[in-house]
Amino acid sequence: GAGVSQSPSNKVTEKGKDVELRCDPISGHTALYWYRQSLGQGLEFLIYFQGNSAPDKSGLPSDRFSAERTGGSVSTLTIQRTQQEDSAVYLCASSLDPSTDTQYFGPGTRLTVL
Amino acid sequence: SQQGEEDPQALSIQEGENATMNCSYKTSINNLQWYRQNSGRGLVHLILIRSNEREKHSGRLRVTLDTSKKSSSLLITASRAADTASYFCVLKAAGNKLTFGGGTRVLVKP
Repeated sequence: GAGVSQSPSNKVTEKGKDVELRCDPISGHTALYWYRQSLGQGLEFLIYFQGNSAPDKSGLPSDRFSAERTGGSVSTLTIQRTQQEDSAVYLCASSLDPSTDTQYFGPGTRLTVL
Repeated sequence: SQQGEEDPQALSIQEGENATMNCSYKTSINNLQWYRQNSGRGLVHLILIRSNEREKHSGRLRVTLDTSKKSSSLLITASRAADTASYFCVLKAAGNKLTFGGGTRVLVKP
């Protein structure tokens, strides 16, 4: 079946511009996660959605970062007034429910801020 | 927040040899997972071991967990060139957030 998809696959933007990154989780998966991976580094947790519960935003690095999940499915990560240090690969993952723990990752969006 | 520390950071072996990497952590966990990441297939879940388990096998993979030492190891037996990737240990403590370690880069030379 279809996996997690993300768009765009690559995004180049100028410093100060806003960007939106999209994630389509696997159908039926209630949990959705956003991570950031800088070059050669591990994954940094950003935000977690579970059903209709309030999201866990504890990993968002600044108030320039926000995310929404509409209808319990598609999610959008928005970065306002982008900075060069925001350059990274942004990965989305979904899981059937939190108790299963296994996360299925999308291919990521490579963001480059010039 | 705690994060797994992986050792070694990089590993180079010949095809057919075994590869072992370790993960240490600081606080109690509910489970520990290993993921693999390569350019071709992205980030893929390999195996999960719960805090009350000591060893699990999946194909050529063997994972151990020693909660008294707060450490885990991942063994890949009879390595193949396709095993070339970065391997991450992932911790789950209380709550639903998973914490990724920095990864071990494995190069399997044909």
